[in-house]
Amino acid sequence: DQQVKQNSPSLSVQEGRISILNCDYTNSMFDYFLWYKKYPAEGPTFLISISSIKDKNEDGRFTVFLNKSAKHLSLHIVPSQPGDSAVYFCAASLSGGYQKVTFGTGTKLQVIP
Amino acid sequence: GAVVSQHPSWVICKSGTSVKIECRSLDFQATTMFWYRQFPKQSLMLMATSNEGSKATYEQGVEKDKFLINHASLTLSTLTVTSAHPEDSSFYICSAHDRAPNEKLFFGSGTQLSVL
Repeated sequence: DQQVKQNSPSLSVQEGRISILNCDYTNSMFDYFLWYKKYPAEGPTFLISISSIKDKNEDGRFTVFLNKSAKHLSLHIVPSQPGDSAVYFCAASLSGGYQKVTFGTGTKLQVIP
Repeated sequence: GAVVSQHPSWVICKSGTSVKIECRSLDFQATTMFWYRQFPKQSLMLMATSNEGSKATYEQGVEKDKFLINHASLTLSTLTVTSAHPEDSSFYICSAHDRAPNEKLFFGSGTQLSVL
Protein backbone atom coordinates (compact mmCIF):
# COMPACT_ATOMS: atom_id res chain seq x y z
CA ASP A 1 0.00 0.00 0.00
CA GLN A 2 1.76 3.09 -1.30
CA GLN A 3 0.73 5.88 1.06
CA VAL A 4 2.77 8.51 -0.73
CA LYS A 5 2.52 8.58 -4.49
CA GLN A 6 4.34 10.40 -7.20
CA ASN A 7 2.46 9.56 -10.37
CA SER A 8 4.95 11.05 -12.77
CA PRO A 9 8.08 8.91 -12.94
CA SER A 10 9.88 11.49 -15.05
CA LEU A 11 9.73 15.13 -16.09
CA SER A 12 11.73 17.15 -18.62
CA VAL A 13 11.94 20.91 -18.40
CA GLN A 14 13.86 23.54 -20.29
CA GLU A 15 16.49 25.44 -18.35
CA GLY A 16 15.09 28.65 -16.91
CA ARG A 17 11.52 27.41 -16.89
CA ILE A 18 9.50 26.22 -13.92
CA SER A 19 9.59 22.59 -12.79
CA ILE A 20 6.52 21.33 -10.97
CA LEU A 21 6.71 18.01 -9.21
CA ASN A 22 3.55 16.56 -7.75
CA CYS A 23 2.84 14.24 -4.87
CA ASP A 24 -0.33 12.73 -3.43
CA TYR A 25 -0.83 10.99 -0.13
CA THR A 26 -3.57 8.84 1.30
CA ASN A 27 -2.94 8.93 5.06
CA SER A 28 -4.71 11.98 6.50
CA MET A 29 -2.68 11.58 9.69
CA PHE A 30 0.50 12.72 7.97
CA ASP A 31 1.33 16.16 9.28
CA TYR A 32 4.80 16.86 7.99
CA PHE A 33 5.97 16.68 4.42
CA LEU A 34 9.43 16.77 2.94
CA TRP A 35 11.14 16.81 -0.41
CA TYR A 36 14.46 15.11 -0.99
CA LYS A 37 16.79 15.20 -3.96
CA LYS A 38 18.77 12.13 -4.89
CA TYR A 39 21.56 11.49 -7.35
CA PRO A 40 22.34 7.93 -8.52
CA ALA A 41 24.27 5.84 -6.00
CA GLU A 42 24.01 8.54 -3.36
CA GLY A 43 21.81 9.07 -0.34
CA PRO A 44 18.95 11.59 -0.48
CA THR A 45 19.59 15.18 0.54
CA PHE A 46 16.96 17.27 2.23
CA LEU A 47 15.51 20.10 0.15
CA ILE A 48 12.52 21.65 1.82
CA SER A 49 9.71 20.74 4.18
CA ILE A 50 6.28 21.94 5.18
CA SER A 51 4.13 21.45 8.21
CA SER A 52 0.45 20.67 7.81
CA ILE A 53 -0.44 23.96 9.47
CA LYS A 54 0.95 25.81 6.47
CA ASP A 55 0.03 25.78 2.82
CA LYS A 56 3.24 27.19 1.41
CA ASN A 57 6.91 27.25 2.25
CA GLU A 58 9.57 28.93 0.19
CA ASP A 59 13.35 28.59 0.19
CA GLY A 60 15.18 30.29 -2.61
CA ARG A 61 14.23 28.71 -5.91
CA PHE A 62 12.21 25.99 -4.18
CA THR A 63 8.62 26.37 -3.06
CA VAL A 64 6.42 23.66 -1.65
CA PHE A 65 2.64 23.95 -1.72
CA LEU A 66 0.33 21.85 0.41
CA ASN A 67 -3.37 21.26 -0.24
CA LYS A 68 -4.58 19.25 2.73
CA SER A 69 -8.14 18.85 1.52
CA ALA A 70 -6.87 17.29 -1.69
CA LYS A 71 -4.04 15.45 0.08
CA HIS A 72 -1.70 16.87 -2.49
CA LEU A 73 1.57 18.70 -2.42
CA SER A 74 3.83 20.04 -5.07
CA LEU A 75 7.38 21.27 -5.39
CA HIS A 76 8.07 24.22 -7.67
CA ILE A 77 11.58 24.95 -8.85
CA VAL A 78 12.06 28.24 -10.60
CA PRO A 79 14.13 28.92 -12.52
CA SER A 80 15.19 25.36 -13.24
CA GLN A 81 18.88 24.72 -13.70
CA PRO A 82 20.72 21.76 -15.24
CA GLY A 83 22.17 20.96 -11.82
CA ASP A 84 18.65 20.33 -10.60
CA SER A 85 18.53 17.17 -12.70
CA ALA A 86 18.04 14.35 -10.20
CA VAL A 87 15.37 12.13 -8.71
CA TYR A 88 13.07 13.96 -6.34
CA PHE A 89 11.32 12.11 -3.55
CA CYS A 90 8.31 13.36 -1.74
CA ALA A 91 8.06 12.11 1.84
CA ALA A 92 5.65 12.34 4.73
CA SER A 93 5.78 11.72 8.44
CA LEU A 94 3.49 11.56 11.44
CA SER A 95 3.42 13.63 14.58
CA GLY A 96 5.44 16.51 13.20
CA GLY A 97 8.68 14.64 13.32
CA TYR A 98 11.31 13.51 10.92
CA GLN A 99 11.55 10.15 12.51
CA LYS A 100 9.56 7.60 10.57
CA VAL A 101 9.40 8.95 7.06
CA THR A 102 7.39 7.37 4.25
CA PHE A 103 8.77 8.04 0.80
CA GLY A 104 7.07 8.34 -2.54
CA THR A 105 8.33 6.51 -5.60
CA GLY A 106 10.27 9.46 -6.94
CA THR A 107 10.20 11.64 -10.04
CA LYS A 108 13.24 11.89 -12.25
CA LEU A 109 13.70 15.51 -13.30
CA GLN A 110 15.79 16.37 -16.32
CA VAL A 111 16.54 20.01 -16.94
CA ILE A 112 17.59 20.54 -20.51
CA PRO A 113 20.19 23.28 -21.12
CA GLY B 1 25.86 20.78 8.46
CA ALA B 2 25.46 17.40 10.02
CA VAL B 3 27.05 14.50 8.18
CA VAL B 4 26.23 10.83 8.11
CA SER B 5 28.94 8.55 6.84
CA GLN B 6 28.08 5.16 5.43
CA HIS B 7 30.61 2.49 4.58
CA PRO B 8 31.23 0.67 2.31
CA SER B 9 29.73 2.47 -0.67
CA TRP B 10 29.55 -0.75 -2.63
CA VAL B 11 30.20 -4.40 -1.94
CA ILE B 12 30.11 -7.59 -3.96
CA CYS B 13 29.85 -10.86 -2.10
CA LYS B 14 29.19 -14.50 -2.72
CA SER B 15 25.86 -16.07 -1.89
CA GLY B 16 25.80 -17.40 1.66
CA THR B 17 28.25 -14.90 3.11
CA SER B 18 27.47 -12.06 5.51
CA VAL B 19 28.02 -8.37 4.86
CA LYS B 20 28.26 -5.59 7.42
CA ILE B 21 27.37 -2.00 6.60
CA GLU B 22 28.32 0.83 8.95
CA CYS B 23 26.53 4.09 9.48
CA ARG B 24 28.15 6.86 11.51
CA SER B 25 26.94 10.27 12.54
CA LEU B 26 30.08 12.38 12.35
CA ASP B 27 29.27 15.55 14.22
CA PHE B 28 26.18 14.80 16.23
CA GLN B 29 24.81 12.11 18.47
CA ALA B 30 22.03 10.02 17.08
CA THR B 31 19.96 8.01 19.49
CA THR B 32 17.92 6.83 16.55
CA MET B 33 19.07 5.74 13.13
CA PHE B 34 17.05 4.30 10.29
CA TRP B 35 17.83 1.75 7.64
CA TYR B 36 16.23 1.92 4.22
CA ARG B 37 16.38 -0.25 1.18
CA GLN B 38 15.81 0.82 -2.39
CA PHE B 39 15.29 -1.40 -5.39
CA PRO B 40 15.89 0.08 -8.85
CA LYS B 41 13.27 2.65 -9.82
CA GLN B 42 11.40 2.15 -6.58
CA SER B 43 10.91 4.10 -3.42
CA LEU B 44 13.08 3.98 -0.34
CA MET B 45 11.47 1.48 1.97
CA LEU B 46 12.08 1.70 5.68
CA MET B 47 13.47 -1.58 6.97
CA ALA B 48 14.06 -0.86 10.62
CA THR B 49 14.58 1.76 13.28
CA SER B 50 17.81 1.39 15.20
CA ASN B 51 17.76 2.56 18.80
CA GLU B 52 20.94 3.12 20.74
CA GLY B 53 21.27 0.63 23.55
CA SER B 54 18.15 -1.33 22.73
CA LYS B 55 16.73 -3.67 20.14
CA ALA B 56 15.90 -2.43 16.70
CA THR B 57 12.31 -2.10 15.58
CA TYR B 58 11.68 -3.86 12.29
CA GLU B 59 9.03 -3.01 9.73
CA GLN B 60 6.51 -5.62 8.73
CA GLY B 61 7.95 -8.15 6.34
CA VAL B 62 11.59 -7.53 7.23
CA GLU B 63 13.35 -10.56 8.68
CA LYS B 64 15.16 -9.50 11.83
CA ASP B 65 17.31 -12.63 11.85
CA LYS B 66 18.51 -11.87 8.36
CA PHE B 67 19.09 -8.17 8.77
CA LEU B 68 20.89 -7.77 12.08
CA ILE B 69 21.08 -4.26 13.44
CA ASN B 70 23.38 -3.12 16.20
CA HIS B 71 23.40 0.40 17.60
CA ALA B 72 26.09 0.15 20.23
CA SER B 73 26.94 3.83 20.51
CA LEU B 74 25.37 7.21 19.87
CA THR B 75 27.32 7.61 16.65
CA LEU B 76 27.36 4.15 15.10
CA SER B 77 24.76 1.73 13.81
CA THR B 78 25.55 -1.37 11.78
CA LEU B 79 23.41 -3.47 9.49
CA THR B 80 24.58 -7.02 8.84
CA VAL B 81 23.00 -8.91 5.98
CA THR B 82 23.43 -12.54 7.03
CA SER B 83 23.63 -15.44 4.59
CA ALA B 84 23.13 -13.08 1.70
CA HIS B 85 21.31 -14.24 -1.41
CA PRO B 86 21.01 -12.61 -4.84
CA GLU B 87 17.57 -11.29 -3.96
CA ASP B 88 19.19 -9.25 -1.19
CA SER B 89 21.04 -7.25 -3.82
CA SER B 90 19.86 -3.71 -3.37
CA PHE B 91 20.83 -0.18 -2.38
CA TYR B 92 20.87 0.21 1.40
CA ILE B 93 20.75 3.65 2.97
CA CYS B 94 20.97 4.73 6.57
CA SER B 95 19.79 7.95 8.11
CA ALA B 96 20.16 9.62 11.44
CA HIS B 97 18.10 12.13 13.30
CA ASP B 98 19.81 15.31 14.35
CA ARG B 99 17.93 16.34 17.45
CA ALA B 100 19.02 19.96 17.67
CA PRO B 101 18.44 22.59 16.63
CA ASN B 102 16.62 21.74 13.42
CA GLU B 103 15.86 18.09 13.99
CA LYS B 104 16.66 17.20 10.44
CA LEU B 105 17.03 13.74 9.07
CA PHE B 106 20.37 13.21 7.36
CA PHE B 107 21.15 10.37 5.03
CA GLY B 108 24.28 8.40 4.37
CA SER B 109 25.55 8.01 0.84
CA GLY B 110 24.23 4.48 0.58
CA THR B 111 25.69 1.02 -0.01
CA GLN B 112 25.13 -0.88 -3.22
CA LEU B 113 25.13 -4.57 -2.38
CA SER B 114 25.50 -7.13 -5.13
CA VAL B 115 25.23 -10.79 -4.16
CA LEU B 116 26.53 -13.22 -6.75
